[in-house]
Amino acid sequence: SQQGEEDPQALSIQEGENATMNCSYKTSINNLQWYRQNSGRGLVHLILIRSNEREKHSGRLRVTLDTSKKSSSLLITASRAADTASYFCATAPRNYGGSQGNLIFGKGTKLSVKP
Amino acid sequence: DTGVSQDPRHKITKRGQNVTFRCDPISEHNRLYWYRQTLGQGPEFLTYFQNEAQLEKSRLLSDRFSAERPKGSFSTLEIQRTEQGDSAMYLCASTGGGDEQFFGPGTRLTVL
Repeated sequence: SQQGEEDPQALSIQEGENATMNCSYKTSINNLQWYRQNSGRGLVHLILIRSNEREKHSGRLRVTLDTSKKSSSLLITASRAADTASYFCATAPRNYGGSQGNLIFGKGTKLSVKP
Repeated sequence: DTGVSQDPRHKITKRGQNVTFRCDPISEHNRLYWYRQTLGQGPEFLTYFQNEAQLEKSRLLSDRFSAERPKGSFSTLEIQRTEQGDSAMYLCASTGGGDEQFFGPGTRLTVL
């Protein structure tokens, strides 16, 4: 079953605007990751935030994590047409069946950036 | 290119046939994962290897599915007696011990 729920399901913005996507999850986690997927292709890792971190930056990306609310947000600043893709949050559950590292993905946010 | 590779990229088969997919992880990555992704959904975990040992299987992995990683390098995923519900993108990922997973381009399976 899928743990994360991204919001919104779809987002359409103009180039240069900021895009914010939210993710909620259900169980305790070790870390939360964001991935990007271009249509029909594999996923590309964007950024990872650990459960003891609250905010992280990488280039034009900013991720926040609120473990008390079991939620995260991904902000893409100054968006470009090339940012058009689906964005997924993925959680690495804490003590998930004793395994190490399998991820639980949400359904994704489909971002469209218009030039 | 030293990324994760998957073969074939596309597979069309008739219901009831067996299919096999291959994944070559990044060299020296000891962990390998298989996921399945259907249209409009995020990837769902299927199974995981550490070296040649299959350490976990999702309940999504019915007895028609089998995965191997015989020498701890490449892995194969076989689906026997395919059904239309098996149509999906099958993704492979690897990691060398960190938490970030490196995904291959996927194999898109269509069962007619």
